[in-house]
Amino acid sequence: GAVVSQHPSWVICKSGTSVKIECRSLDFQATTMFWYRQFPKQSLMLMATSNEGSKATYEQGVEKDKFLINHASLTLSTLTVTSAHPEDSSFYICSASIEQFFGPGTRLTVL
Amino acid sequence: GQQVMQIPQYQHVQEGEDFTTYCNSSTTLSNIQWYKQRPGGHPVFLIQLVKSGEVKKQKRLTFQFGEAKKNSSLHITATQTTDVGTYFCAGRSGPGMRFGAGTRLTVKP
Repeated sequence: GAVVSQHPSWVICKSGTSVKIECRSLDFQATTMFWYRQFPKQSLMLMATSNEGSKATYEQGVEKDKFLINHASLTLSTLTVTSAHPEDSSFYICSASIEQFFGPGTRLTVL
Repeated sequence: GQQVMQIPQYQHVQEGEDFTTYCNSSTTLSNIQWYKQRPGGHPVFLIQLVKSGEVKKQKRLTFQFGEAKKNSSLHITATQTTDVGTYFCAGRSGPGMRFGAGTRLTVKP
Protein backbone atom coordinates (compact mmCIF):
# COMPACT_ATOMS: atom_id res chain seq x y z
CA GLY A 1 0.00 0.00 0.00
CA ALA A 2 0.91 3.65 -0.23
CA VAL A 3 3.21 4.68 2.60
CA VAL A 4 3.99 8.22 3.63
CA SER A 5 6.67 9.02 6.17
CA GLN A 6 7.38 12.16 8.10
CA HIS A 7 10.53 13.27 9.79
CA PRO A 8 11.00 14.11 12.54
CA SER A 9 8.13 12.51 14.43
CA TRP A 10 8.54 15.06 17.18
CA VAL A 11 10.68 18.12 17.77
CA ILE A 12 11.20 20.58 20.57
CA CYS A 13 12.78 23.91 19.73
CA LYS A 14 13.38 27.30 21.22
CA SER A 15 11.30 30.28 20.28
CA GLY A 16 12.73 32.10 17.29
CA THR A 17 14.34 29.11 15.65
CA SER A 18 13.26 27.45 12.41
CA VAL A 19 12.16 23.86 12.06
CA LYS A 20 12.00 21.79 8.90
CA ILE A 21 9.59 18.89 8.57
CA GLU A 22 9.91 16.37 5.76
CA CYS A 23 7.14 14.42 4.12
CA ARG A 24 8.07 11.54 1.86
CA SER A 25 6.03 9.18 -0.25
CA LEU A 26 7.96 5.93 0.01
CA ASP A 27 6.54 3.69 -2.67
CA PHE A 28 4.79 6.03 -5.04
CA GLN A 29 5.18 9.42 -6.62
CA ALA A 30 3.03 12.31 -5.52
CA THR A 31 2.75 15.43 -7.60
CA THR A 32 0.53 16.89 -4.92
CA MET A 33 1.00 16.86 -1.18
CA PHE A 34 -1.03 18.55 1.48
CA TRP A 35 -0.01 20.01 4.79
CA TYR A 36 -2.40 20.06 7.73
CA ARG A 37 -2.19 21.32 11.27
CA GLN A 38 -4.05 19.84 14.17
CA PHE A 39 -4.26 21.50 17.57
CA PRO A 40 -5.03 19.33 20.60
CA LYS A 41 -8.53 17.91 20.54
CA GLN A 42 -9.32 19.75 17.33
CA SER A 43 -9.79 18.75 13.75
CA LEU A 44 -7.27 18.93 10.95
CA MET A 45 -6.95 22.25 9.22
CA LEU A 46 -5.56 22.40 5.71
CA MET A 47 -2.63 24.79 5.59
CA ALA A 48 -1.43 24.49 2.03
CA THR A 49 -1.35 22.40 -1.09
CA SER A 50 2.12 21.58 -2.32
CA ASN A 51 2.64 20.93 -6.01
CA GLU A 52 5.85 19.46 -7.34
CA GLY A 53 7.86 21.99 -9.26
CA SER A 54 5.63 24.96 -8.52
CA LYS A 55 4.66 27.26 -5.71
CA ALA A 56 2.45 26.02 -2.95
CA THR A 57 -1.10 27.23 -2.60
CA TYR A 58 -1.81 28.50 0.87
CA GLU A 59 -5.15 28.57 2.62
CA GLN A 60 -6.57 31.83 3.81
CA GLY A 61 -4.97 32.98 7.03
CA VAL A 62 -1.81 30.89 6.63
CA GLU A 63 1.32 33.03 6.36
CA LYS A 64 3.36 31.84 3.41
CA ASP A 65 6.48 33.59 4.67
CA LYS A 66 6.23 31.82 7.98
CA PHE A 67 5.39 28.35 6.69
CA LEU A 68 7.72 27.73 3.79
CA ILE A 69 6.85 24.79 1.60
CA ASN A 70 9.15 23.20 -0.92
CA HIS A 71 8.11 20.31 -3.14
CA ALA A 72 11.29 19.73 -5.06
CA SER A 73 10.70 16.15 -6.10
CA LEU A 74 7.85 13.73 -6.68
CA THR A 75 8.53 12.02 -3.37
CA LEU A 76 9.46 14.83 -1.02
CA SER A 77 7.78 17.92 0.33
CA THR A 78 9.16 19.99 3.18
CA LEU A 79 7.49 22.41 5.53
CA THR A 80 9.71 24.90 7.34
CA VAL A 81 8.27 26.76 10.27
CA THR A 82 10.34 29.92 10.41
CA SER A 83 10.93 31.90 13.59
CA ALA A 84 8.75 29.50 15.53
CA HIS A 85 6.77 30.73 18.52
CA PRO A 86 4.91 28.84 21.23
CA GLU A 87 1.60 29.37 19.41
CA ASP A 88 3.02 27.36 16.50
CA SER A 89 3.17 24.29 18.72
CA SER A 90 0.94 21.76 17.04
CA PHE A 91 0.69 18.45 15.27
CA TYR A 92 1.66 18.85 11.63
CA ILE A 93 0.48 16.16 9.25
CA CYS A 94 1.11 15.76 5.57
CA SER A 95 -0.80 13.74 3.08
CA ALA A 96 0.21 12.70 -0.37
CA SER A 97 -1.75 12.45 -3.56
CA ILE A 98 -5.39 13.14 -4.18
CA GLU A 99 -6.16 9.90 -2.39
CA GLN A 100 -4.91 11.50 0.84
CA PHE A 101 -2.41 9.01 2.17
CA PHE A 102 -1.47 10.50 5.50
CA GLY A 103 1.91 10.57 7.14
CA PRO A 104 2.24 9.77 10.84
CA GLY A 105 2.55 13.44 11.78
CA THR A 106 5.14 15.61 13.47
CA ARG A 107 4.54 17.02 16.90
CA LEU A 108 6.18 20.42 17.26
CA THR A 109 6.67 22.00 20.65
CA VAL A 110 8.10 25.50 20.78
CA LEU A 111 9.42 26.58 24.15
CA GLY B 1 -15.66 29.20 1.95
CA GLN B 2 -16.59 25.61 2.20
CA GLN B 3 -17.42 24.36 5.64
CA VAL B 4 -17.97 20.85 6.83
CA MET B 5 -20.00 20.54 9.99
CA GLN B 6 -19.96 17.35 12.02
CA ILE B 7 -22.14 16.29 14.93
CA PRO B 8 -22.15 15.22 17.64
CA GLN B 9 -18.86 16.40 19.06
CA TYR B 10 -18.80 13.61 21.63
CA GLN B 11 -20.64 10.34 22.01
CA HIS B 12 -20.38 7.94 24.89
CA VAL B 13 -22.05 4.58 24.46
CA GLN B 14 -22.32 1.30 26.23
CA GLU B 15 -20.62 -1.56 24.43
CA GLY B 16 -23.13 -3.14 22.09
CA GLU B 17 -25.05 0.05 21.43
CA ASP B 18 -25.13 1.68 18.02
CA PHE B 19 -23.39 4.92 17.12
CA THR B 20 -23.93 7.45 14.36
CA THR B 21 -22.04 10.59 13.36
CA TYR B 22 -23.28 13.06 10.79
CA CYS B 23 -21.60 15.46 8.40
CA ASN B 24 -23.07 18.39 6.52
CA SER B 25 -21.44 20.62 3.96
CA SER B 26 -22.37 24.10 2.91
CA THR B 27 -21.50 23.22 -0.67
CA THR B 28 -21.86 20.20 -2.91
CA LEU B 29 -18.99 17.81 -2.49
CA SER B 30 -17.22 15.87 -5.20
CA ASN B 31 -16.56 13.16 -2.66
CA ILE B 32 -16.49 12.55 1.05
CA GLN B 33 -14.04 10.53 3.04
CA TRP B 34 -14.15 9.12 6.53
CA TYR B 35 -11.19 8.72 8.85
CA LYS B 36 -10.59 7.27 12.28
CA GLN B 37 -7.98 8.70 14.59
CA ARG B 38 -6.91 7.00 17.76
CA PRO B 39 -5.50 9.16 20.58
CA GLY B 40 -1.93 10.08 19.73
CA GLY B 41 -2.21 8.66 16.25
CA HIS B 42 -2.77 10.02 12.80
CA PRO B 43 -5.95 9.80 10.79
CA VAL B 44 -6.49 6.47 9.12
CA PHE B 45 -8.52 6.38 5.96
CA LEU B 46 -11.69 4.30 6.22
CA ILE B 47 -13.61 4.87 3.02
CA GLN B 48 -14.49 7.25 0.22
CA LEU B 49 -17.95 7.91 -1.17
CA VAL B 50 -18.36 9.52 -4.55
CA LYS B 51 -21.83 8.84 -5.94
CA SER B 52 -25.03 10.53 -4.93
CA GLY B 53 -26.97 8.31 -2.53
CA GLU B 54 -24.10 5.87 -2.22
CA VAL B 55 -24.09 3.40 0.66
CA LYS B 56 -21.08 1.32 1.58
CA LYS B 57 -20.57 -1.19 4.34
CA GLN B 58 -17.48 -2.41 6.12
CA LYS B 59 -18.46 -5.10 8.57
CA ARG B 60 -20.29 -3.20 11.33
CA LEU B 61 -19.74 0.21 9.71
CA THR B 62 -22.24 1.69 7.26
CA PHE B 63 -21.43 4.84 5.32
CA GLN B 64 -23.95 6.94 3.42
CA PHE B 65 -23.61 9.85 1.03
CA GLY B 66 -26.67 12.03 0.62
CA GLU B 67 -28.57 12.47 -2.60
CA ALA B 68 -27.52 16.10 -2.84
CA LYS B 69 -23.91 15.19 -2.01
CA LYS B 70 -23.95 17.65 0.86
CA ASN B 71 -24.29 15.28 3.77
CA SER B 72 -22.99 11.96 4.93
CA SER B 73 -23.23 9.64 7.89
CA LEU B 74 -21.26 6.88 9.51
CA HIS B 75 -23.16 4.30 11.52
CA ILE B 76 -21.55 1.66 13.70
CA THR B 77 -23.71 -1.27 14.74
CA ALA B 78 -23.09 -2.91 18.10
CA THR B 79 -20.05 -0.90 19.12
CA GLN B 80 -17.00 -2.57 20.59
CA THR B 81 -14.26 -1.13 22.76
CA THR B 82 -11.96 -1.25 19.75
CA ASP B 83 -14.17 1.34 18.07
CA VAL B 84 -13.01 4.12 20.40
CA GLY B 85 -11.42 7.09 18.71
CA THR B 86 -12.34 10.21 16.84
CA TYR B 87 -14.14 9.84 13.56
CA PHE B 88 -13.65 12.59 11.01
CA CYS B 89 -15.45 13.23 7.80
CA ALA B 90 -13.65 15.18 5.12
CA GLY B 91 -15.17 16.60 2.00
CA ARG B 92 -13.68 17.82 -1.19
CA SER B 93 -14.91 20.60 -3.44
CA GLY B 94 -11.48 21.78 -4.55
CA PRO B 95 -7.88 20.94 -3.74
CA GLY B 96 -7.28 19.40 -0.36
CA MET B 97 -9.87 18.14 2.02
CA ARG B 98 -11.99 20.08 4.47
CA PHE B 99 -12.33 18.16 7.68
CA GLY B 100 -15.24 18.15 10.03
CA ALA B 101 -14.55 18.78 13.71
CA GLY B 102 -14.75 15.08 14.43
CA THR B 103 -16.86 12.96 16.75
CA ARG B 104 -15.08 11.47 19.70
CA LEU B 105 -16.48 8.08 20.54
CA THR B 106 -15.94 6.40 23.86
CA VAL B 107 -17.27 2.93 24.59
CA LYS B 108 -17.95 1.64 28.07
CA PRO B 109 -17.36 -2.10 28.38
